[in-house]
Amino acid sequence: QVQLVESGGGLVKPGGSLRVSCAASGFTFSDHYMSWIRQAPGKGLEWVSYISQSGSTIYYADSVKGRFTISRDNAKHSLYLQMNYLRAEDTAVYYCATFYCGGDCYPIWGQGTMVTVSS
Amino acid sequence: EIVLTQSPGTLSLSPGERATLSCRASQSVSSSSLAWYRQKPGQAPRLLIYDASNRATGIPDRFRGSGSGTDFTLTISRLEPEDFAVYYCQQYDSSLWTFGQGTKVEIK
Repeated sequence: QVQLVESGGGLVKPGGSLRVSCAASGFTFSDHYMSWIRQAPGKGLEWVSYISQSGSTIYYADSVKGRFTISRDNAKHSLYLQMNYLRAEDTAVYYCATFYCGGDCYPIWGQGTMVTVSS
Repeated sequence: EIVLTQSPGTLSLSPGERATLSCRASQSVSSSSLAWYRQKPGQAPRLLIYDASNRATGIPDRFRGSGSGTDFTLTISRLEPEDFAVYYCQQYDSSLWTFGQGTKVEIK
């Protein structure tokens, strides 16, 4: 079935780096744009980054621009988010998502991976 | 950027009652590219409605989405215990997805 599974979350010190991944299955990954969304504890949902199907178009939220890098490997059906210079305010559950089209079209999300930035 | 504003912030209702949640966009959302989610504590958001009025797979018919342009509504006809949660609207008209701040539906 159509599925997104995030991994790579964990505890990291302020100023440190972490890479989270998202494995896609059940659909043609290379035909779909991908996004990262995050949710800080007790807070709402915040869009973080977007990458087009080929990877040629990328957008970032102002809050992460210059520190985070989104990328994808279509051969491995995988999405990545490299997070550098992490701050306490980056602590959140990170979700990957896409606008899936397989007949009908609608958003699908993974279950998320927790990133904690703390000393 | 399309800003989404949800109201009310909190809705206090009893099981069996009707809930009406609003989502207003700062500019027109074309093709009704709007979704509604329900989120329970410790869980990922679950898609309820897409394209403003289409129920997602497995979503019961007590959930109804309506609206177009800048004004959208989620109606829950009879609240079940599992419906007491936080609800978010989301637009996907733009590649830069945006979300409302959420409406909490709590037990009165």
